[in-house]
Amino acid sequence: GENVEQHPSTLSVQEGDSAVIKCTYSDSASNYFPWYKQELGKRPQLIIDIRSNVGEKKDQRIAVTLNKTAKHFSLHITETQPEDSAVYFCAASIQDTGRRALTFGSGTRLQVQP
Amino acid sequence: DTEVTQTPKHLVMGMTNKKSLKCEQHMGHRAMYWYKQKAKKPPELMFVYSYEKLSINESVPSRFSPECPNSSLLNLHLHALQPEDSALYLCASSLSQGNTIYFGEGSWLTVV
Repeated sequence: GENVEQHPSTLSVQEGDSAVIKCTYSDSASNYFPWYKQELGKRPQLIIDIRSNVGEKKDQRIAVTLNKTAKHFSLHITETQPEDSAVYFCAASIQDTGRRALTFGSGTRLQVQP
Repeated sequence: DTEVTQTPKHLVMGMTNKKSLKCEQHMGHRAMYWYKQKAKKPPELMFVYSYEKLSINESVPSRFSPECPNSSLLNLHLHALQPEDSALYLCASSLSQGNTIYFGEGSWLTVV
């Protein structure tokens, strides 16, 4: 099966700084990589995703990059704000084959200090 | 609309009780999921239904019994649970298995 490793487990930054969270995956067949944000006591919510035919995707202050050769993908948050404080999970799956569901990384607790 | 609705939001049950968690979506999604999440941990997959058939059972103890009455509904029947089963139970759905999943708000379960 798939194994997704995520680093760091905790990350503290000053407001306005950038934050980077990295994930590696084991199954070269994986082709879909979403990122979820989970605020305390709430559900995980999709913030951005990337498919294996794309190397980078941006949405305002959030970007995700994918290196298929190295089997790793990263989340980049620029100009961090206190409301970015949450736990972030990366995930990987093989889309549209029904072979398996998303495999999640272990999570990164991001704290943005005002 | 990316709404997955779960009931109840909170449930306290004794170890001899029988209860059910319910989940509903009206997005036309054909895959539905149950995840279990403990504090400070990622969601842990329990079951996947694809086109109303059980597709994945992640070796979940039989005291958890899933049911998919139709393409919009997913239930999780609970019986003879243990205190260590206390957790947040998240239902989710996706267009098809392996695609973007959308989580419900979860049911906080406490077993006493």
